Amino acid sequence: AQSVTQLGSHVSVSEGALVLLRCNYSSSVPPYLFWYVQYPNQGLQLLLKYTTGATLVKGINGFEAEFKKSETSFHLTKPSAHMSDAAEYFCAVSESLRYSTLTFGKGTMLLVSP
Amino acid sequence: DSGVTQTPKHLITATGQRVTLRCSPRSGDLSVYWYQQSLDQGLQFLIQYYNGEERAKGNILERFSAQQFPDLHSELNLSSLELGDSALYFCASSVTIGDEQYFGPGTRLTVT
Repeated sequence: AQSVTQLGSHVSVSEGALVLLRCNYSSSVPPYLFWYVQYPNQGLQLLLKYTTGATLVKGINGFEAEFKKSETSFHLTKPSAHMSDAAEYFCAVSESLRYSTLTFGKGTMLLVSP
Repeated sequence: DSGVTQTPKHLITATGQRVTLRCSPRSGDLSVYWYQQSLDQGLQFLIQYYNGEERAKGNILERFSAQQFPDLHSELNLSSLELGDSALYFCASSVTIGDEQYFGPGTRLTVT
């Protein structure tokens, strides 16, 4: 069975600082990995995804993530935080695009201070 | 706006009751997914439909059922409601199985 662990339910950064949100996964087959963002009172929006190919994936709003198979990780980063980045971020794994059902982590709330 | 619509936005009901949540996928999307988000369980996949047929089941209780209609909209039926069923229920859709999923704004269910 697949699973996702997100380290830290809350991460606080200052505006302009590096954002690093950690995600580790467990999967019995090569995984497909996703990061979603959820703003207050809204649904989830896909930030980026890794399926195959290049392990460094660039997404929207300046975010990127690197798939590291040896570390079973898919950490999300952004060089410089903006106030508008404050939201909850979810890492998710799918074992097969054929069925594409997602298993989500518990989420990490990103707090950005001026 | 993802293009996925869900109604109602909020629903308050009593224990033991039955409710129906509705989802309209994006135009052209054939696959619909239902997820439940609660404080203790997080985001969990419930069930997936593709072009009217059930394709995958997750942690969906027997008291819950869903269907996808010929016009591709979907309904999630929750019966014999318990306090623990209070949660945010999301619908997502994709063009076909394996494509990016677009999430609706959710229906917040409160069981009192």
